Amino acid sequence: DAGVIQSPRHEVTEMGQEVTLRCKPISGHNSLFWYRQTMMRGLELLIYFNNNVPIDDSGMPEDRFSAKMPNASFSTLKIQPSEPRDSAVYFCATKVGGSYNEQFFGPGTRLTVL
Amino acid sequence: SQQGEEDPQALSIQEGENATMNCSYKTSINNLQWYRQNSGRGLVHLILIRSNEREKHSGRLRVTLDTSKKSSSLLITASRAADTASYFCATDAGGNNRLAFGKGNQVVVIP
Repeated sequence: DAGVIQSPRHEVTEMGQEVTLRCKPISGHNSLFWYRQTMMRGLELLIYFNNNVPIDDSGMPEDRFSAKMPNASFSTLKIQPSEPRDSAVYFCATKVGGSYNEQFFGPGTRLTVL
Repeated sequence: SQQGEEDPQALSIQEGENATMNCSYKTSINNLQWYRQNSGRGLVHLILIRSNEREKHSGRLRVTLDTSKKSSSLLITASRAADTASYFCATDAGGNNRLAFGKGNQVVVIP
């Protein structure tokens, strides 16, 4: 089992550019979560999906952020336009639905916006 | 509001010693989970304790849960250098699959 796969692992871009982060969940996991981690704010939940449907996007900071899950094996988080304050590590995590199941985290994408 | 909140201090201990960290939360929960994060990596699940459980063991880990005080503790016995990491508690209030993570507690084990 390859685990949760995220790409790219590192992204350096300039302010104003579009950034797309990708996540491939573990097969059979029907819940997917996007988190952002910074030193100042810790780990923040941005949005999560159940069965490919967005359930709660209240953590998405601004309209510049959008996320999609077109099928059970792929999700994207897009930032357009990017700003320096978006610099962070973005994690995707997935789990089998149900309260007593753990979340499996991907390795993260370290985003730097210059 | 963030539910899981660890004691904010960093912990530095000698190899072989025990490490204890605490977590408090504000609302009723279904379960509480502890995760570990090594530098530059994603979080890894360590242990889950249900709201009707008081103590749980897994290898060198011992977790306690006191729902009356809305608090939990994680004990790592006989620590090793490889235990150096940040440890997060996360609460599941049930009903929506989401977890609320604390800010993490950094543990450094000196060989």
